[in-house]
Amino acid sequence: DSGVTQTPKHLITATGQRVTLRCSPRSGDLSVYWYQQSLDQGLQFLIQYYNGEERAKGNILERFSAQQFPDLHSELNLSSLELGDSALYFCASSVEGRGAGEKLFFGSGTQLSVL
Amino acid sequence: GENVEQHPSTLSVQEGDSAVIKCTYSDSASNYFPWYKQELGKGPQLIIDIRSNVGEKKDQRIAVTLNKTAKHFSLHITETQPEDSAVYFCAASGRLAGTASKLTFGTGTRLQVTL
Repeated sequence: DSGVTQTPKHLITATGQRVTLRCSPRSGDLSVYWYQQSLDQGLQFLIQYYNGEERAKGNILERFSAQQFPDLHSELNLSSLELGDSALYFCASSVEGRGAGEKLFFGSGTQLSVL
Repeated sequence: GENVEQHPSTLSVQEGDSAVIKCTYSDSASNYFPWYKQELGKGPQLIIDIRSNVGEKKDQRIAVTLNKTAKHFSLHITETQPEDSAVYFCAASGRLAGTASKLTFGTGTRLQVTL
């Protein structure tokens, strides 16, 4: 168990809908990362937050947004969902959020299916 | 940005044999190279990492080697066991604008250890 908690584990929804994925980092970790894993794209970095503020942005679509709250949990919001958004979404956390050279601990992921 | 290529995509070995997975990276400024193991239904778990000031690192049956000149690094698993069956991802730290950086993952290797 990595100590990173993601809910829900599975999410089934329809095209055009909006969903929210939730992540609680390991105790003491200040930084949260979101990754998307699809069969043909591997693990793609979406966005990183550190202590409530956005620190780095990757290949995140404009339809997606995220935030980190004062208690350090994070939410990833996906709107106007398309079939191609179906994927595993992982949250990871680290102590300082320096990115390079810092160990990331991953949650078990949320499997999103858009029908 | 950073680009990481990983080979092979699938690897089947007999129990007790060795397995080698290779990765190349493009950003010469990358200085951190972790390897993750992902079992079915779980998130990636860090199994070993190496920094650019070290050429080789070993932890029991697993070892990682780094060739900075050629920009490639490899994972070696000796005396493979059925529980080593999983998907393995290599990663490299890539640099974003300013001081931010992120991990870029390879596309994964599905290792199957047969009895």
